[in-house]
Amino acid sequence: GDSVTQMEGPVTLSEEAFLTINCTYTATGYPSLFWYVQYPGEGLQLLLKATKADDKGSNKGFEATYRKETTSFHLEKGSVQVSDSAVYFCALSEARSYNTDKLIFGTGTRLQVFP
Amino acid sequence: EAGVTQFPSHSVIEKGQTVTLRCDPISGHDNLYWYRRVMGKEIKFLLHFVKESKQDESGMPNNRFLAERTGGTYSTLKVQPAELEDSGVYFCASSQDRSGKLFFGSGTQLSVL
Repeated sequence: GDSVTQMEGPVTLSEEAFLTINCTYTATGYPSLFWYVQYPGEGLQLLLKATKADDKGSNKGFEATYRKETTSFHLEKGSVQVSDSAVYFCALSEARSYNTDKLIFGTGTRLQVFP
Repeated sequence: EAGVTQFPSHSVIEKGQTVTLRCDPISGHDNLYWYRRVMGKEIKFLLHFVKESKQDESGMPNNRFLAERTGGTYSTLKVQPAELEDSGVYFCASSQDRSGKLFFGSGTQLSVL
């Protein structure tokens, strides 16, 4: 079945450092890809998405490019802030699920940014 | 605009007891989902309502779990009887469309002792 694999955390960085969180997927067909973020004490919220190959999703300085050839959707940010400390989840929406937008999530990666 | 709210935020029960979780979606959102995260693993889909109808319940683990959404507004998820492996965080989410943009509640942490 479809699945998402993301790097284990925690990822610990100093403020203004470059961030990469790796995400790869296995899927039949052409899924949509997502990054969700969960800040402490809050629910998950959509950070960015891409719906087809070579699309780049971006939001709040974060970017991820849908790479079909490497089945990847790595999350990047050029300069992280303390406020970016959170758990980041990579997810896909099954392409063949025409009657639902059921999401398949990775295990999450905790990011800790220190001043 | 109020977000997705879940109640309770934490629940500690003994094996064999019954627990009911509640979710109030964002007003006007026809789609309502339940997900679960067990022991720091991936978040797994449980089921999906469109209004009051179950669109997809393929993720429900067994018949000890019962989800309802009477009237197409709030939803409840009942676990009866609870087992140790049911411990985890239960998330509810709602959406207005089928774009994959879900709005999540902050979850209910269920501990079965």
